Amino acid sequence: AQSVSQHNHHVILSEAASLELGCNYSYGGTVNLFWYVQYPGQHLQLLLKYFSGDPLVKGIKGFEAEFIKSKFSFNLRKPSVQWSDTAEYFCAVNRGGSYIPTFGRGTSLIVHP
Amino acid sequence: GEEVAQTPKHLVRGEGQKAKLYCAPIKGHSYVFWYQQVLKNEFKFLISFQNENVFDETGMPKERFSAKCLPNSPCSLEIQATKLEDSAVYFCASSQGSYNEQFFGPGTRLTVL
Repeated sequence: AQSVSQHNHHVILSEAASLELGCNYSYGGTVNLFWYVQYPGQHLQLLLKYFSGDPLVKGIKGFEAEFIKSKFSFNLRKPSVQWSDTAEYFCAVNRGGSYIPTFGRGTSLIVHP
Repeated sequence: GEEVAQTPKHLVRGEGQKAKLYCAPIKGHSYVFWYQQVLKNEFKFLISFQNENVFDETGMPKERFSAKCLPNSPCSLEIQATKLEDSAVYFCASSQGSYNEQFFGPGTRLTVL
């Protein structure tokens, strides 16, 4: 069965620090990859997605993610976080041929002002 | 509408009671998905619809859970005879196509006492 691992469950940063959240998946074939964010009290929103093409994907709010096929990874990055980035971040993976995303357990990010 | 709407926001039921949750997908989206998130863990896929037809119900505990998407009505997820372990946030999502980005609703928090 496919699994999605987010190794950092809780991350605490100060404003302006750089962020990298890990996401690894276990499926070896074609995948579609997503990062979702859930701000406190709000619903899940899509930050960015990768289907094909340039493995470095730019998303909203200054986020980016890099698909490294050889490492089965899709890590999320932001060079300088803000207090407003405090949220839960979920990685999700659709394996080729399946439209049902498998979600990671999420990473809780707290940014101190 | 422009957003996925879910009602109610919160639902409290005694063990053994029935619970019914509703979801209105974004207008023009033909796919609806239901997920269960227990204790901020990963999202568990329950069921999906293509218009009013069940597309995939591999995640549904069929003995107590049922779901419908009828024309011109919100979709619904019903739990007969709720159990304590059904306490979770239930998310609905909709998309234009089965492989497209899913747009999530705010969720319904079900508490079974």
